[in-house]
This record gives sequence, structure tokens and C-alpha cells, in this order.
Amino acid sequence: GENVEQHPSTLSVQEGDSAVIKCTYSDSASNYFPWYKQELGKGPQLIIDIRSNVGEKKDQRIAVTLNKTAKHFSLHITETQPEDSAVYFCAASKGGGGSYIPTFGRGTSLIVHP
Amino acid sequence: DADVTQTPRNRITKTGKRIMLECSQTKGHDRMYWYRQDPGLGLRLIYYSFDVKDINKGEISDGYSVSRQAQAKFSLSLESAIPNQTALYFCASSGTPLGDTQYFGPGTRLTVL
Repeated sequence: GENVEQHPSTLSVQEGDSAVIKCTYSDSASNYFPWYKQELGKGPQLIIDIRSNVGEKKDQRIAVTLNKTAKHFSLHITETQPEDSAVYFCAASKGGGGSYIPTFGRGTSLIVHP
Repeated sequence: DADVTQTPRNRITKTGKRIMLECSQTKGHDRMYWYRQDPGLGLRLIYYSFDVKDINKGEISDGYSVSRQAQAKFSLSLESAIPNQTALYFCASSGTPLGDTQYFGPGTRLTVL
């Protein structure tokens, strides 16, 4: 089955700095890669996703990149703000027989210091 | 109002007790899921259902059972709770056409003493 590794487990930055979270996956058939943000006391919420036919996607201060050859994808947050502090999860899944059942990474706790 | 709701939000119980966690969604989604979250282990899939008559085991189904009472309702049961089932439990749903994006509830914190 799919295996998703996520690093680092904890990331501490100063407000205004950039933050990068990296994930690797094992199943070359995976073709959908969402990122979820979990704020304290809440459930995870999708913040951005990327499909295997795209190498990069941006949405304001966040971006995701995908390297299919190396089987890794990354989340980039620029100009970090205290409200970006949360746990971030990457996931990988595939359609067809996989029916987009995601395998999640173990999460990254991002702390943005004012 | 929240699209995916879970009850109860917090529950403390004793070893050996039967526990049911309930989930409802108003998004009209056909797919529903139950996950368990433990510190440092991420989200692990317990069971999932693609429609009312479809129930599938996930990665860690032992000790759990589910019931899909209606398209909008999916409950998780612990027949005889044990301390290592202490965790945060999340329900999620996803819809057509691809069912790829999941929408999570607020979670139920379960403590088994």
C-alpha cells in the first residue's frame, strides 16, 4: 500500500519568514495530493491540493509543488503570520480502484512566533 | 451551521463499556469515513462507506464496528472499549464526482480509563 513520509514534525519560524513542509510517497500510481490544516480543537480543513498533471499550484501565500519522478511534494507558505500556526497534514491518493482513499503523513506542527 | 457534526465532542468511559460515536453531514455526500488521530501518528482510517449499503474496513478496524443508518449518518462503535482506544476521532465525508476532497467534523475526544 501507499506510504507517506512527512518532514519536519515540528517547524518554528518567525512571523514574516517562509515555511516549507516536505512529503514523499511510495506509490507511483498516486495522482492526487491534498494538504490539510488543523487548527487547535478543530478538524482538518483542505487548504490546497495538486494533481499529478500539474507541477505547481499557488493560492495567495501558499503554494504546492510536485515532483512525480522523485515522488515528493512540498507545501510552501510565504510571509507567515501567527494565524498560520497549526498542524499541517499532507496526503496521497489515487482514483479508480483506489477511489481517492487518502494516506496521510504524520503531520507537521507549525509555530509562527510574532 | 457546521456541514459535518459529531456527537459527543468529549467522552470519558471505562474499560469494557460499549461506546457509540455519531456523525451527521448536511453536504449531501455519498461517502463517509471514520479516522483516528494519535499524537505523532497522523490520521489513520478505521472504516469507510461509499453508500448506504457499502461498508469497508480501513487500516485499523480491529475493535471497531460501524453502521451507515442513512446517507447522512455514519456511526462508529467500540463494542468493549480498552485504554489504547483513547484518541481523537474524526468523521469525514466526500462527494461526487471524484470524492477526492474530504470534509472533516470537529472531532470527538474519547478517553478510556
